[in-house]
Amino acid sequence: SQELEQSPQSLIVQEGKNLTINCTSSKTLYGLYWYKQKYGEGLIFLMMLQKGGEEKSHEKITAKLDEKKQQSSLHITASQPSHAGIYLCGAGDGSSNTGKLIFGQGTTLQVKP
Amino acid sequence: EAGVVQSPRYKIIEKKQPVAFWCNPISGHNTLYWYLQNLGQGPELLIRYENEEAVDDSQLPKDRFSAERLKGVDSTLKIQPAELGDSAVYLCASSRRGAGGTDTQYFGPGTRLTVL
Repeated sequence: SQELEQSPQSLIVQEGKNLTINCTSSKTLYGLYWYKQKYGEGLIFLMMLQKGGEEKSHEKITAKLDEKKQQSSLHITASQPSHAGIYLCGAGDGSSNTGKLIFGQGTTLQVKP
Repeated sequence: EAGVVQSPRYKIIEKKQPVAFWCNPISGHNTLYWYLQNLGQGPELLIRYENEEAVDDSQLPKDRFSAERLKGVDSTLKIQPAELGDSAVYLCASSRRGAGGTDTQYFGPGTRLTVL
């Protein structure tokens, strides 16, 4: 079965610094989703990547899917306290695309003012 | 457009008691998902509905968990009886299409269950 490994598990950065979170899959990715979760709340959709080499940006957050479609990265530029939370990557369960998502364990981000 | 609605937000019960969670998906979304999220982990799928049909319930512990989506809109997830290990966040999500399309899942705020 497919597994997603996120690194690092947790991250503390000073406000204004850049950071990167990685998501590595044990199998080819057929659609990779990035979500953000505040403690005690649901998941907020950030971006979805599907094609190898694809890159998307929203405000100061950029996500990329590598050419081989087995790894994705999420990059935050000039971090702010509002970026703090848990970032989760999720992927479809294979080429059959049953709609089921497999998630990584999450990366907890703290941004110090 | 209203998001996915879940209730209650928090529930504390004693072990062996029954509990039920309710979810109303985004209007027009025919696919509904129930996920379980343990502390420090990503969500894990329990059951997926396309309209009123449960198309994937392979991860649902059927001895104590049940779910229904009678009219293909809102859904209820029930645990009876609850065990200490059921303490977790139960998330509901919905998407516009089912299999065959990489459609984005939108999540509700979740129900945090504590079993004492």
